[in-house]
Amino acid sequence: QQPVQSPQAVILREGEDAVINCSSSKALYSVHWYRQKHGEAPVFLMILLKGGEQKGHEKISASFNEKKQQSSLYLTASQLSYSGTYFCGTEIGGSARQLTFGSGTQLTVLP
Amino acid sequence: NAGVTQTPKFRVLKTGQSMTLLCAQDMNHEYMYWYRQDPGMGLRLIHYSVGEGTTAKGEVPDGYNVSRLKKQNFLLGLESAAPSQTSVYFCASTDALSGSTEAFFGQGTRLTVV
Repeated sequence: QQPVQSPQAVILREGEDAVINCSSSKALYSVHWYRQKHGEAPVFLMILLKGGEQKGHEKISASFNEKKQQSSLYLTASQLSYSGTYFCGTEIGGSARQLTFGSGTQLTVLP
Repeated sequence: NAGVTQTPKFRVLKTGQSMTLLCAQDMNHEYMYWYRQDPGMGLRLIHYSVGEGTTAKGEVPDGYNVSRLKKQNFLLGLESAAPSQTSVYFCASTDALSGSTEAFFGQGTRLTVV
């Protein structure tokens, strides 16, 4: 079942913060976050594993609440380059390492 | 290092025609996947493969077939194209031995069925 992402879209000014949420009805092994710019392939941002700690890369970080099967992506002091569609991909485990993706959150950062 | 390469990048088919999309990866990855992306629906898994000679159905397999005759290649076939198969198709691969399972995506194939 597809994870639910919220919000569907968000518009920010450069320097503002944003939070994107991803929730699943299934017990998760891991949560992945990807960013896709228009006309391009999705690009990996980070993965959060069950039992793992919060991850971060520069001004983008994420958390994973195992009890609620929810993950949040935090973008602080947004830059113009952060614009794009953000997808969470959830993995419930198993040998195939399949990801089920949410419908995406379109983030627009304005100058 | 090319990563994941998809061919063709664009294609227009008439209803009922057939075609094959090719995905090639040079990272020696075991796992390969085919997704389709439609507006507002994210990426949906069509078929996947966990190794040479093995394939399995994903979330939306109907109307598609796949083959993995060589480890580096994963082919997606449409036997009789339908307008509902108009979409952007992405191939991805992951390293089975790595704990991160980061997926590497190709640049996509934009298919229009008229």
